Amino acid sequence: TQLLEQSPQFLSIQEGENLTVYCNSSSVFSSLQWYRQEPGEGPVLLVTVVTGGEVKKLKRLTFQFGDARKDSSLHITAAQTGDTGLYLCAGVVDSWGKLQFGAGTQVVVTP
Amino acid sequence: EAGVAQSPRYKIIEKRQSVAFWCNPISGHATLYWYQQILGQGPKLLIQFQNNGVVDDSQLPKDRFSAERLKGVDSTLKIQPAKLEDSAVYLCASSLGPGGNYEQYFGPGTRLTVT
Repeated sequence: TQLLEQSPQFLSIQEGENLTVYCNSSSVFSSLQWYRQEPGEGPVLLVTVVTGGEVKKLKRLTFQFGDARKDSSLHITAAQTGDTGLYLCAGVVDSWGKLQFGAGTQVVVTP
Repeated sequence: EAGVAQSPRYKIIEKRQSVAFWCNPISGHATLYWYQQILGQGPKLLIQFQNNGVVDDSQLPKDRFSAERLKGVDSTLKIQPAKLEDSAVYLCASSLGPGGNYEQYFGPGTRLTVT
């Protein structure tokens, strides 16, 4: 099993602050995805990163895939209360699209 | 476009009882997944279907869990008999299938409490 470790487990910040969450593995992934899950809902895909060293931006969210394709980070600039949620990284482990999820980082943004 | 539908949304049963969950994926999606998400953890894949065939069920506790996708569209996951440790959210997801970008679309989940 290709394990993904996410850190920190929990992050509480005030609106306007920046934050970074990490996703690390000892295994190489062909691609890695980031999802956000809100209470009572299923995860929603934010981004897929494919190429080592790739950086993708989605408004205030910046995603980076490590050069060796073993790790990734998510940086949120000027967090808003709407950014509150469980952030999950998931590695694609086979050609059928099977995902291995990390345990997630719970982010709470307070006004 | 309608999303992934799941029912029921909540279920409370006693241990040793049986329960079934239903999932209707997005129209045209060939791949269907069932996940178990225990509080504080990420989703764990239980079973993956490609059309009506099983691609991966390596983490499905087959002595008590079963799933089917008979016509390659909707699917049912059953637990019989339930144990306390089965308390979790059961998520269904679907995707277009191999060759795509592997984006999975999730339903809202069924929250199961076993007492």
